[in-house]
Amino acid sequence: EVQLVESGGGLVQPGGSLRLSCAASGFTVSSNYMSWVRQAPGKGLEWVSVIYSGGSTYYADSVKGRFTISRDNSKNTLYLQMNSLRAEDTAVYYCARDRGYNYYFDYWGQGTLVTVSS
Amino acid sequence: EIVLTQSPATLSLSPGERATLSCRASQSVSSYLAWYQQKPGQAPRLLIYDASNRATGIPARFSGSGSGTDFTLTISSLEPEDFAVYYCQQRSNWPPAFGQGTRLEIK
Repeated sequence: EVQLVESGGGLVQPGGSLRLSCAASGFTVSSNYMSWVRQAPGKGLEWVSVIYSGGSTYYADSVKGRFTISRDNSKNTLYLQMNSLRAEDTAVYYCARDRGYNYYFDYWGQGTLVTVSS
Repeated sequence: EIVLTQSPATLSLSPGERATLSCRASQSVSSYLAWYQQKPGQAPRLLIYDASNRATGIPARFSGSGSGTDFTLTISSLEPEDFAVYYCQQRSNWPPAFGQGTRLEIK
């Protein structure tokens, strides 16, 4: 059974850093495209970043230069390092598996809440 | 960037009725459009991909249609568990983007 479990969210001050983790089971993270998608409180969904099976990474303009997506193949885990956090980064962050190298997301984690506030 | 506009913002219907949700793209996305369902406190769930293909395990009452700039998600006969927020998403142009959602509520 495919499962994604996020962790690492919490309260952080503006300008601070946080690293999110997404532990996967039932499939191999490195064999798939994996994305982070976020949802601000009461708002819609926003795609944040992707890491390809080959290791290439891409970002939304809103986080480029501040966020870094990575993975640990030995732990079958996806990460999102978030630096220089802003109030507008406050959201539930979901990791999501691509259903077939095409940016459709067939499995999602339960989400982890990041709150950026002083 | 492609903007997806969903309508209506809120749709009030009763169980057993037919629901028709719309998604319009600011430029053509061919058939590269998906639909997701999200219930409160839960992650989104993929319903439809490539405009009209049901994802694994999705009931036949859900169907998608359209191409280019105009798309429709139809739920043929609403079940109580179908009341949720629905999002469309395009993957045709960079970056992948979601619509703002349609809330389907019980009348």
